[in-house]
Amino acid sequence: QLQLQESGPGLVKPSETLSLTCTVSGGSIGSSSYYWTWFRQPPGKGLEWIGRIYYTGTTDYNPSLKSRVSISVDRAMNQFSLTLSSVTAADTAVYYCARPHSEKSYALDVWGLGTLVIVSS
Amino acid sequence: DIQMTQFPSSLSASVGDRVTITCRASQTISNYLNWYQHKQGKAPKLLIYGASTLQSGVPSRFSGSGSGTDFALTITSLQPEDFATYYCQQSFRTPWTFGHGTKVEIK
Repeated sequence: QLQLQESGPGLVKPSETLSLTCTVSGGSIGSSSYYWTWFRQPPGKGLEWIGRIYYTGTTDYNPSLKSRVSISVDRAMNQFSLTLSSVTAADTAVYYCARPHSEKSYALDVWGLGTLVIVSS
Repeated sequence: DIQMTQFPSSLSASVGDRVTITCRASQTISNYLNWYQHKQGKAPKLLIYGASTLQSGVPSRFSGSGSGTDFALTITSLQPEDFATYYCQQSFRTPWTFGHGTKVEIK
């Protein structure tokens, strides 16, 4: 059964870069034609799509974050990663990785538990 | 971006009640509409995809309907474990967007 788990620092200073990794277990990140995605949920707010990476490495980002975000994939480690630069308090959120299923209207059928990232000095 | 308007934002209901949550897209999204259940501290759980297809393992008291711009999630006979926040999400076009959520609370 496919499982995802986010990892990374829980505290980042303003203006620095947030880096998170999602480890995929129970399946190979490069063996299937899937996208791998990142979302976030600021405290008390709704869910926001950050971006996605295809197993080939092609990326697609939310225009609201595009200038600061990068998503990459490491097939050898079976991981994909998120970096968000020049963070501010507005980037404080629970960050989730998830997999959209192409045969289910790209619905997100597998999620990580999420990791809270606080931006504060 | 496609805006998703979800209502009500919260509701109080009793065990056994029938509950309906609606979601409207700012433009047509065909049937690329998905519903999730989210409980505090847990990963969101996919309930319905493609507007009306029940995800494997989800109880049949959950159902989805609609197409185009107007959609609904119905829970027949609400159970104690159903008290949670529910989100709709469009996967028709990126950036994928969500409704603001409906919190279902115990009356």
